[in-house]
Amino acid sequence: QQQVKQSPQSLIVQKGGISIINCAYENTAFDYFPWYQQFPGKGPALLIAIRPDVSEKKEGRFTISFNKSAKQFSLHIMDSQPGDSATYFCAASRSYGGATNKLIFGTGTLLAVQP
Amino acid sequence: EAGVAQSPRYKIIEKRQSVAFWCNPISGHATLYWYQQILGQGPKLLIQFQNNGVVDDSQLPKDRFSAERLKGVDSTLKIQPAKLEDSAVYLCASSLDRGFSGNTEAFFGQGTRLTVV
Repeated sequence: QQQVKQSPQSLIVQKGGISIINCAYENTAFDYFPWYQQFPGKGPALLIAIRPDVSEKKEGRFTISFNKSAKQFSLHIMDSQPGDSATYFCAASRSYGGATNKLIFGTGTLLAVQP
Repeated sequence: EAGVAQSPRYKIIEKRQSVAFWCNPISGHATLYWYQQILGQGPKLLIQFQNNGVVDDSQLPKDRFSAERLKGVDSTLKIQPAKLEDSAVYLCASSLDRGFSGNTEAFFGQGTRLTVV
């Protein structure tokens, strides 16, 4: 019940295209869903996050779509650029009502944006 | 604002040896996490501190791993003795959380890459 499943494992997109990464969770107590971006040799960095009271959040070229009934959320990268090439992790946590708010990470998606 | 600092960046040891990693979180951050990231996988929480108390260590292999956070600031993670399967990147993260404020954003350090041979 603690798992977060992420797909695809890897993704190749042409410059200017749309990158889409999907995640699914099981624990309905999760109420915070961030996406992290990780470049080689660096730690993960928060990209964008959403709480389940909204179905979509957009920040620049990055959009999270959230489907509470299906327990799924996805990251859309519009106008993908070579500089977006990195590994993307979805995650989930409980931010209220419990002693721990640890992030449960997906397995990651390696994105390559071709020029 | 300074980020999460970790040292060393890289470490190579032989199996059965011991190793220690150090983390200095962002100033004022009450919560500190140690994650293990095996190549090709997502980070997995090893231990979480709230100030200097342990909140969650359910996935810490306590027969060989130990961690402490003195005075609620810096933290060290130790492995003794190391096994080949401990080869991974060890990430430290911190967040502002104070009780149930709901502020869950975690900031990660660059990590320590451990290779056990």
